[in-house]
Amino acid sequence: DVKVTQSSRYLVKRTGEKVFLECVQDMDHENMFWYRQDPGLGLRLIYFSYDVKMKEKGDIPEGYSVSREKKERFSLILESASTNQTSMYLCASSLGPLREKLFFGSGTQLSVL
Amino acid sequence: AQKITQTQPGMFVQEKEAVTLDCTYDTSDPSYGLFWYKQPSSGEMIFLIYQGSYDQQNATEGRYSLNFQKARKSANLVISASQLGDSAMYFCAMRGGDAGNMLTFGGGTRLMVKP
Repeated sequence: DVKVTQSSRYLVKRTGEKVFLECVQDMDHENMFWYRQDPGLGLRLIYFSYDVKMKEKGDIPEGYSVSREKKERFSLILESASTNQTSMYLCASSLGPLREKLFFGSGTQLSVL
Repeated sequence: AQKITQTQPGMFVQEKEAVTLDCTYDTSDPSYGLFWYKQPSSGEMIFLIYQGSYDQQNATEGRYSLNFQKARKSANLVISASQLGDSAMYFCAMRGGDAGNMLTFGGGTRLMVKP
């Protein structure tokens, strides 16, 4: 079975802390994605990576950075967490072609106090 | 920039009846794919159905079908014979088009199935 694993289901951090959200996929997928989900806003793309060390900004990259040193791992970094980054974060991966669906992790609910 | 619009924030349907969830999209690129995902209260994202912009026939997957009207840029999801387990958030999404390989989501529709 395909699997996208996010390191934490719930995370509580303080304002100003550096936060790492980790995502690992075991399907040898080229593409990996980070989304945040907020009520009424759907899923909004933060960053996208189409290969190791390659990344593209999504719709809301401000306040975030990413790292992809290995094909299977895609990390989302909040350099200095703020309360408006309290949200559900979803990682996903897919093969290259456009018709390929995304496989999602179970999400990390991040609370920044 | 491409955009996905789901105009129904919430909907009720009686068990065993059919329901249509609306989705419209906007892109200037002729090559794109449309997806529907279901998100139950557990939070997992479950892929339901896919429609390619060049596909000649509307996609079907079991009780799910996609009413694809390319000229109107709409891709409505039809669920036949609703079940209590269909109660969930439903998201329409598009990949390709102006945004390349990224997948862009609509705001979602919460479907509630009444017994």
